[in-house]
Amino acid sequence: AQKITQTQPGMFVQEKEAVTLDCTYDTSDQSYGLFWYKQPSSGEMIFLIYQGSYDEQNATEGRYSLNFQKARKSANLVISASQLGDSAMYFCAMSRYGSSNTGKLIFGQGTTLQVKP
Amino acid sequence: NAGVTQTPKFRILKIGQSMTLQCTQDMNHNYMYWYRQDPGMGLKLIYYSVGAGITDKGEVPNGYNVSRSTTEDFPLRLELAAPSQTSVYFCASRAATSSAKNIQYFGAGTRLSVL
Repeated sequence: AQKITQTQPGMFVQEKEAVTLDCTYDTSDQSYGLFWYKQPSSGEMIFLIYQGSYDEQNATEGRYSLNFQKARKSANLVISASQLGDSAMYFCAMSRYGSSNTGKLIFGQGTTLQVKP
Repeated sequence: NAGVTQTPKFRILKIGQSMTLQCTQDMNHNYMYWYRQDPGMGLKLIYYSVGAGITDKGEVPNGYNVSRSTTEDFPLRLELAAPSQTSVYFCASRAATSSAKNIQYFGAGTRLSVL
């Protein structure tokens, strides 16, 4: 069975500093995708970044990068130059691919990030 | 750019009542999903659909039903509401593509309280 673990319930970071949010996963599949979503206090789910299990390069999207370490089964989100608007809950999620590619997402419990001015 | 639209945004139900949460998407996505999010927790899959007329159970289907008569709509039905169904419900959709980057797009959510 697949599982996502986010061990940091809450994090603080100073504005303009970088922060890393941890995510480890467990799967026996060879082909899978890893996602990060942001949930601000307004409640919507906003897609941030994606990493495929066969991608050789770490994914980057603007100030977001994904530190993918396949052997350690970790997919940490790095936010550079934090902004006050980054204060939100962040979810790591995984989907399996292959013949049963239904796209179902398995979510971690989330990490609440607070950016201090 | 409507994307995924959920109605209502908020609802209070009494125990034993029934209701339907509406979800519609205008992106012509084949795949649609219903998740629930309990306070302070991640999302859990209730039901999903890979196309009109095809639905399947997710991780937490008990107490819910779905139907998918069109590509656009994927309503979630709660029968005999219970306090345990107090949650925030999210509908999502994604394209059926061979690309591995199958991003799901979410609606704004429906906050449901069962009292």
